[in-house]
Amino acid sequence: GQQVMQIPQYQHVQEGEDFTTYCNSSTTLSNIQWYKQRPGGHPVFLIQLVKSGEVKKQKRLTFQFGEAKKNSSLHITATQTTDVGTYFCAGGDTDKLIFGTGTRLQVFP
Amino acid sequence: DAGVTQSPTHLIKTRGQHVTLRCSPISGHKSVSWYQQVLGQGPQFIFQYYEKEERGRGNFPDRFSARQFPNYSSELNVNALLLGDSALYLCASSRRDTSYEQYFGPGTRLTVT
Repeated sequence: GQQVMQIPQYQHVQEGEDFTTYCNSSTTLSNIQWYKQRPGGHPVFLIQLVKSGEVKKQKRLTFQFGEAKKNSSLHITATQTTDVGTYFCAGGDTDKLIFGTGTRLQVFP
Repeated sequence: DAGVTQSPTHLIKTRGQHVTLRCSPISGHKSVSWYQQVLGQGPQFIFQYYEKEERGRGNFPDRFSARQFPNYSSELNVNALLLGDSALYLCASSRRDTSYEQYFGPGTRLTVT
């Protein structure tokens, strides 16, 4: 079945450093969604990418969708302690949503 | 507007028992999806219901079933509970289907002893 992997599994950074998580799917994706889950919380939607090669920005966050629509990345510039959490990519289709393995981000002040 | 609500918040069951989890979607949302999240892992897709019909099913045994009611609320049923069913069960609603952004509820923490 379809698998969505993310690397790295964990990332510890000093506040102010940049952070990137990479997402790779075993199959071509209709769209990619990104979610953030704080410790003890539930996933919260961040953004959706649909087009091949698409790039979207949200303040310090930059999201990319690969040309082949099989990979994606999330880059955070100048991390803050509020960025702490686990970031998940998810391959969306009309009948299912397959989450990646997640990248847990820890930010030290 | 109220978000997605789930009940109960926590639940402890014994192996072999049956459990029913409930979810109320955001008003106007017609799709409800269920996910199982084991500690330290990503949510695993179980079911999607759209307009009261099963739209998608993940790789879960037949012990798992669900339904959606006319008011778009949903129930997830799990029979013959196993220790491995212990997890956070998340419900998410969406305007249409899983190709649209999902709004998650707080989840039900199920512990099977």
